[in-house]
Amino acid sequence: KAGVTQTPRYLIKTRGQQVTLSCSPISGHRSVSWYQQTPGQGLQFLFEYFSETQRNKGNFPGRFSGRQFSNSRSEMNVSTLELGDSALYLCASSSDRAKNSPLHFGNGTRLTVT
Amino acid sequence: GDSVTQMEGPVTLSEEAFLTINCTYTATGYPSLFWYVQYPGEGLQLLLKATKADDKGSNKGFEATYRKETTSFHLEKGSVQVSDSAVYFCALSPAGGYNKLIFGAGTRLAVHP
Repeated sequence: KAGVTQTPRYLIKTRGQQVTLSCSPISGHRSVSWYQQTPGQGLQFLFEYFSETQRNKGNFPGRFSGRQFSNSRSEMNVSTLELGDSALYLCASSSDRAKNSPLHFGNGTRLTVT
Repeated sequence: GDSVTQMEGPVTLSEEAFLTINCTYTATGYPSLFWYVQYPGEGLQLLLKATKADDKGSNKGFEATYRKETTSFHLEKGSVQVSDSAVYFCALSPAGGYNKLIFGAGTRLAVHP
């Protein structure tokens, strides 16, 4: 069974630009969550989507948004990029069949903002 | 708000030594507790979990017990191997939080032969 796939693996953008990251969950998983990992702040929850609806949201500004498609694939968008947005962005999927079904993480997209 | 505090690393041990990585949490209600591990070059993966007080999670020789009275979930292993070298993250899922995880800062473990 293929794991969680995130594309692209690396991105370099300039301040003020916008970026879209993609996540393909494990087949059959309907929940997709996004996390930001930085050396200073660690791993922080961005948002979670389940069946195309945002089910939970972290404390990030509105520049961070996401969506989920009918095939459960998800995209995350960051507009008006700032230097502080440089981070590893992780996507995780879950079957959600039972409470606390394990999250399966992808290897991440490393975003560098210059 | 909810938070997780874990001991700072790096932790350096010799093979077959006993491992403890401390984790304490602050949360309202009854969160679920997790340990995730990130091996070099790999993604985060679930190591073990506990969903209610006094539950013990275990996997690959690692154990952790959900202690409500001390709000702790310390990770232990009786005899570490070089292959256990990784970064370990303690995390909680708030009650009713679906798949939202709040992570600790992570503890890097290096095991030498």
